[in-house]
Amino acid sequence: DAGVIQSPRHEVTEMGQEVTLRCKPISGHNSLFWYRQTMMRGLELLIYFNNNVPIDDSGMPEDRFSAKMPNASFSTLKIQPSEPRDSAVYFCASREGATDTQYFGPGTRLTVL
Amino acid sequence: GQQLNQSPQSMFIQEEEDVSMNCTSSSIFNTWLWYKQDPGEGPVLLIALYKAGELTSNGRLTAQFGITRKDSFLNISASIPSDVGIYFCAGQPVPQTGANNLFFGTGTRLTVIP
Repeated sequence: DAGVIQSPRHEVTEMGQEVTLRCKPISGHNSLFWYRQTMMRGLELLIYFNNNVPIDDSGMPEDRFSAKMPNASFSTLKIQPSEPRDSAVYFCASREGATDTQYFGPGTRLTVL
Repeated sequence: GQQLNQSPQSMFIQEEEDVSMNCTSSSIFNTWLWYKQDPGEGPVLLIALYKAGELTSNGRLTAQFGITRKDSFLNISASIPSDVGIYFCAGQPVPQTGANNLFFGTGTRLTVIP
C-alpha cells in the first residue's frame, strides 16, 4: 500500500496567489482529514470528510480556505488568496470505517512570501 | 476545544537511556494513540490503545491507557539515535463529537545524544 499521497511536497508562492494542495487517501478508507501544523499552534484540524461529504469544517480559518472531495480517491485544499500567515505544513490523513486510527501523508510545506 | 496536555515538551537524553512521556486530558477518552513524527514527514502511528488499563508494546516502546481514561503514558527503553523526533498523543473523547475526530497533544520533542 502506497499510503496517503500528498502533492506537492513543497510549495513557495507569493502573497495573493492561489494555492491548491492535493491528497490521495489510502484505498478503501472512507474518511479524510486536512490538518495544518505550525510551531505556535501545533496540529489543527481544518476539515473532515466522510464518504466524500464534508462533515466538520469548523477549523477552516476563513473564507479564503476551501476543500473538496469529488470522489473517494482525491481531495483538494485551496487557499485563495494566500497570505504569509498561511505558511505551514499541511497534512492529509485518512481513516477506515469507524476506527479511530488516522494515517497521515508526508505533508505539504507551504511558504507564502 | 479539547485540550490534551503532553509532557515534557522536550527531552534531551543519552543513548541507551529510557524515556517516559505522558498525556493528560480533562475528560474521558475512548481511544489513545501515540504517533511519532520525523523531521519533514507526517506523523506515523506507533501504538493504539482501546481499553482502560491496557498495556501494549511495540518493540522497545510500551504505552498504557490510564485507568481513569484521562491519561496515557509512552515509554521507550534503551533509546537509540533514530528515536529522535516529535511524539504526539492523540485521543478520541467520550462522548464522541459529531465529527468523530482525534484531538492531538502538543508533542514531546526527543533528542538522543550519542
